[in-house]
Amino acid sequence: AQTVTQSQPEMSVQEAETVTLSCTYDTSESDYYLFWYKQPPSRQMILVIRQEAYKQQNATENRFSVNFQKAAKSFSLKISDSQLGDAAMYFCAYRSPPQGGSEKLVFGKGTKLTVNP
Amino acid sequence: GAVVSQHPSRVICKSGTSVKIECRSLDFQATTMFWYRQFPKQSLMLMATSNEGSKATYEQGVEKDKFLINHASLTLSTLTVTSAHPEDSSFYICSARGTRNQPQHFGDGTRLSIL
Repeated sequence: AQTVTQSQPEMSVQEAETVTLSCTYDTSESDYYLFWYKQPPSRQMILVIRQEAYKQQNATENRFSVNFQKAAKSFSLKISDSQLGDAAMYFCAYRSPPQGGSEKLVFGKGTKLTVNP
Repeated sequence: GAVVSQHPSRVICKSGTSVKIECRSLDFQATTMFWYRQFPKQSLMLMATSNEGSKATYEQGVEKDKFLINHASLTLSTLTVTSAHPEDSSFYICSARGTRNQPQHFGDGTRLSIL
C-alpha cells in the first residue's frame, strides 16, 4: 500500500519570503499522480498543484512550484513570495494512475503553515 | 471552473436521528464522487467511492448500513448518516471528478455534531 509522509507538522515563514514543505511517499507503482492541497481555516480543500509521475519537468503554478525527485520519492512544495493568505494546512497526496488501480487519494498528515507579517 | 457544492455546512442534531449531506458538482459532470471524514487536526480518510448509477465502494472498516451513499445523477451524490450517535460527530468532505485523469475537487465540508 502507498504511504505519504510529511515530516514537518508545522512551518512558519515571513511574508514575502520563500518556504519549502517536504513530502515523501512510498509506492511500487511507476506511474501515479501527486498533489498538494491547501486547507485554510474555512476547511475547504483547494488543489494547489499537481504532478504526473511520468513528467520529468517540475510543475509550477504562479508562486507555487514543486521539486519532484522520482528516484528519491520526494515531492516538495515551494511557495515563493509568501502571502498572508497562504496560511493554511497543506496536504501532500498520492493517487494511482487512471488506468486501473484505486483512485483513492492517500494523504499525508499535513503541515500547518503560518505566515508572519 | 470545477466547483463542488456541499450542503449543509453545519448540522447539529440529537442522537438517533438521520442526517443527509448533499454534494453537487455545479459546472461539470462528476462520474465519480468521494466521501471523506476528517477528525480534528488529522488528515482526510476516504470512506467510500461512488460512481454514478452504481453501488458505492466502501473502504475497510466503514459500515455500509451506517453511511448510506447514493449517486443517482452525474451532478449529485448524497451521504446519509443513519441513526447518528455522538461518535459520528466529525467533519465530512466530498470530492468529485470528471474523467479518470482529472483531479478531485472538494466541497466545503459539513461539520456534523451529534448531541
